[in-house]
Amino acid sequence: EAQVTQNPRYLITVTGKKLTVTCSQNMNHEYMSWYRQDPGLGLRQIYYSMNVEVTDKGDVPEGYKVSRKEKRNFPLILESPSPNQTSLYFCASSAKSGNSYEQYFGPGTRLTVT
Amino acid sequence: GENVEQHPSTLSVQEGDSAVIKCTYSDSASNYFPWYKQELGKRPQLIIDIRSNVGEKKDQRIAVTLNKTAKHFSLHITETQPEDSAVYFCAARWRDDKIIFGKGTRLHILP
Repeated sequence: EAQVTQNPRYLITVTGKKLTVTCSQNMNHEYMSWYRQDPGLGLRQIYYSMNVEVTDKGDVPEGYKVSRKEKRNFPLILESPSPNQTSLYFCASSAKSGNSYEQYFGPGTRLTVT
Repeated sequence: GENVEQHPSTLSVQEGDSAVIKCTYSDSASNYFPWYKQELGKRPQLIIDIRSNVGEKKDQRIAVTLNKTAKHFSLHITETQPEDSAVYFCAARWRDDKIIFGKGTRLHILP
């Protein structure tokens, strides 16, 4: 089954404690992306990657890191989380070419930073 | 700056009537415009998309129109049904492959 998986689905942590949210896709997609979703602000892109070893900043990259060492994985790293990073996070992937750039979203990770 | 504006933020329509959601974008080089539907507690899912070389696209009760000159695109849902109640997001893909989403429209279908 074609899918994007994220782990963990829920996470409560404390300020300053490094964490990683994993994202994996099995569709051989080149393009992967991380978003955060906050009430009234919609989906905001954090980082995206066009292919292995290629990453670019989205709209709100401050406080986040990513890596793309393998095509299927695109982890999101928060080196020193702060309460303003409490949010719902989505990973997504899509093909890079063709008629549609449809993004397939993961199930979401709800992060609370206290 | 890079921006996608979406209106209205909330829309209520009577079941069976039509709903229209509008978006404008700032980058004239944007070439791909998807619409996503997000039901409560679920992930966004693509419902329709359009490329910049096409003016209109239709899929059953859903259609999207694009006006490149004015830099705006719209989602049209006809014969609305209760299951159309959700939050809808428009988006634009920028020339550098960044994707900017609108802030969303909460659509209520009234019985």
